[in-house]
Amino acid sequence: AQSVTQLDSQVPVFEEAPVELRCNYSSSVSVYLFWYVQYPNQGLQLLLKYLSGSTLVKGINGFEAEFNKSQTSFHLRKPSVHISDTAEYFCAVSLASGTYKDIFGTGTRLKVLA
Amino acid sequence: NAGVTQTPKFRVLKTGQSMTLLCAQDMNHEYMYWYRQDPGMGLRLIHYSVGEGTTAKGEVPDGYNVSRLKKQNFLLGLESAAPSQTSVYFCASSPVGMGKNIQYFGAGTRLSVL
Repeated sequence: AQSVTQLDSQVPVFEEAPVELRCNYSSSVSVYLFWYVQYPNQGLQLLLKYLSGSTLVKGINGFEAEFNKSQTSFHLRKPSVHISDTAEYFCAVSLASGTYKDIFGTGTRLKVLA
Repeated sequence: NAGVTQTPKFRVLKTGQSMTLLCAQDMNHEYMYWYRQDPGMGLRLIHYSVGEGTTAKGEVPDGYNVSRLKKQNFLLGLESAAPSQTSVYFCASSPVGMGKNIQYFGAGTRLSVL
């Protein structure tokens, strides 16, 4: 069965600094990978996804993620964060075929400091 | 452009009371899901549905029941609420085909069981 690990539960970072949120997954078959963002008191919304093709995926709000098959990772990055990026970020994985269920990581709370 | 709508937004119950959470989507999606979100545990799947009239158990189904009598609605019931069911509940939906792995979330229902 597949699983997702987000190693950092909280990441504080100063405004305009770069940030990387880590995500590692485990699966014996091909997977799709996702990052979702949850702003305070809201539901999750899709930030970006990797289905196939280029391993560097660009999403909304200047975020990007790189799929690394050999390291089974899908880390999220942004070169310069804003106060408005303060939110919780979830990595998710689903099998590339035969399923419609995602497995979510435990989330990383990004706090951007002024 | 409503998307996924959850009602109610907040609810307080006493132990042993029952209630139903309603999820409605206007995107004609086949798949619908109910999750609970607890601190440090991310999102855990309670029940899901792959089409009108069908439901299936997820990761943490005990104490919950669901029904999908209409394609656009997915109801989550608590027959006898327990304090352990205090949580934030999210409904999500996803389409068939290439987009089937992308989930669209409601804003959540915050439930407290005293």
